[in-house]
Amino acid sequence: EPEVTQTPSHQVTQMGQEVILRCVPISNHLYFYWYRQILGQKVEFLVSFYNNEISEKSEIFDDQFSVERPDGSNFTLKIRSTKLEDSAMYFCASTGRGRNQPQHFGDGTRLSIL
Amino acid sequence: AQTVTQSQPEMSVQEAETVTLSCTYDTSESNYYLFWYKQPPSRQMILVIRQEAYKQQNATENRFSVNFQKAAKSFSLKISDSQLGDTAMYFCAHSGGSNYKLTFGKGTLLTVNP
Repeated sequence: EPEVTQTPSHQVTQMGQEVILRCVPISNHLYFYWYRQILGQKVEFLVSFYNNEISEKSEIFDDQFSVERPDGSNFTLKIRSTKLEDSAMYFCASTGRGRNQPQHFGDGTRLSIL
Repeated sequence: AQTVTQSQPEMSVQEAETVTLSCTYDTSESNYYLFWYKQPPSRQMILVIRQEAYKQQNATENRFSVNFQKAAKSFSLKISDSQLGDTAMYFCAHSGGSNYKLTFGKGTLLTVNP
């Protein structure tokens, strides 16, 4: 069964550095999402992306964050200047055929800010 | 805005027994979907079951079934014949609106004891 792939699985970065989290959604999917889960807390929506633009973003998704689909297969989340509170698990998800279809999640990237 | 509430932070059940996890939600959407996701210690997000709000029939998936009470905005998950591999965090989630982003509850940690 096709999968959503995320790399790296674990990223350790110094505070203030830029980090790029990468995702390869399922190939025929059209709608893409990023979610964040701080350790021990619930999963929170960050941003949705469709037709090469952001369709919705949460309050968490401030100017430090950006998303891109640079080459038709990868879907990236960039954090420009990381803070300690950005330490979390970041999940990419995608869905196809319609936004009402179940979202398929990647295995996540654990981001640790030192 | 959508909210999802899981009032049971932790539950335990004996192997082969049945357990029910509770979830209530609030939504302004007329067309929406409800999900249960499982998150084992590896922290993957695995779809367990999906319910379309316009369908009165409760969804079932092998040992997993839901009790969907639309008027009460309740969506509980029943796991029959519990197995050790069912030990995980279970998240209830709502999807709706123009982008069908997922809104998660805080989760219930289920432990299946031998």
